[in-house]
Amino acid sequence: AQKVTQAQTEISVVEKEDVTLDCVYETRDTTYYLFWYKQPPSGELVFLIRRNSFDEQNEISGRYSWNFQKSTSSFNFTITASQVVDSAVYFCALSSAAGNTGKLIFGQGTTLQVKP
Amino acid sequence: EAGVAQSPRYKIIEKRQSVAFWCNPISGHATLYWYQQILGQGPKLLIQFQNNGVVDDSQLPKDRFSAERLKGVDSTLKIQPAKLEDSAVYLCARVEVQETQYFGPGTRLLVL
Repeated sequence: AQKVTQAQTEISVVEKEDVTLDCVYETRDTTYYLFWYKQPPSGELVFLIRRNSFDEQNEISGRYSWNFQKSTSSFNFTITASQVVDSAVYFCALSSAAGNTGKLIFGQGTTLQVKP
Repeated sequence: EAGVAQSPRYKIIEKRQSVAFWCNPISGHATLYWYQQILGQGPKLLIQFQNNGVVDDSQLPKDRFSAERLKGVDSTLKIQPAKLEDSAVYLCARVEVQETQYFGPGTRLLVL
């Protein structure tokens, strides 16, 4: 069975602090995809990044960076120099490349509050 | 730009009433998903369409939920009759390259 765990329910930081959101996943598939989505108060799910299971290169996009470690089944997300606009619920998700469903298995989400 | 239109954005009904939600993946994508997101939880798949056909509806409560996708474009999700526990956000998603799903704004349903 596939599962995504985001152990941090809520995180509160002060603006300009760095913050890391943890994601641990379980799957028996050898090929899969990992995702991060942002859900601001408006409610829409915004795609941030996709990672293929065979690509363990870390990625940086502006203030965002992602650390994918297959050995620990983790796909953590770091925001550097956080801003108030980063306040949102962040979801980690997993999908299998097997079959043709491609459905996303989401974690419970981490609510990030960035205070000015 | 997610490229997925949904309506209505909000709906309030009483239990045992019926309700329908509409989704249009504006660019006309073959694969379409409906997810249910209960407050405080991550979204959960209800049904997946590939063109007109259903690929996965294993999590759809078929005694009260139904969905269709005519002509392989827009889709309708219906609940009849609604229960209190159906209060949630209903999200529609399309697929882009390499299995990336893009979501519409969702429909917030409150069942009283």
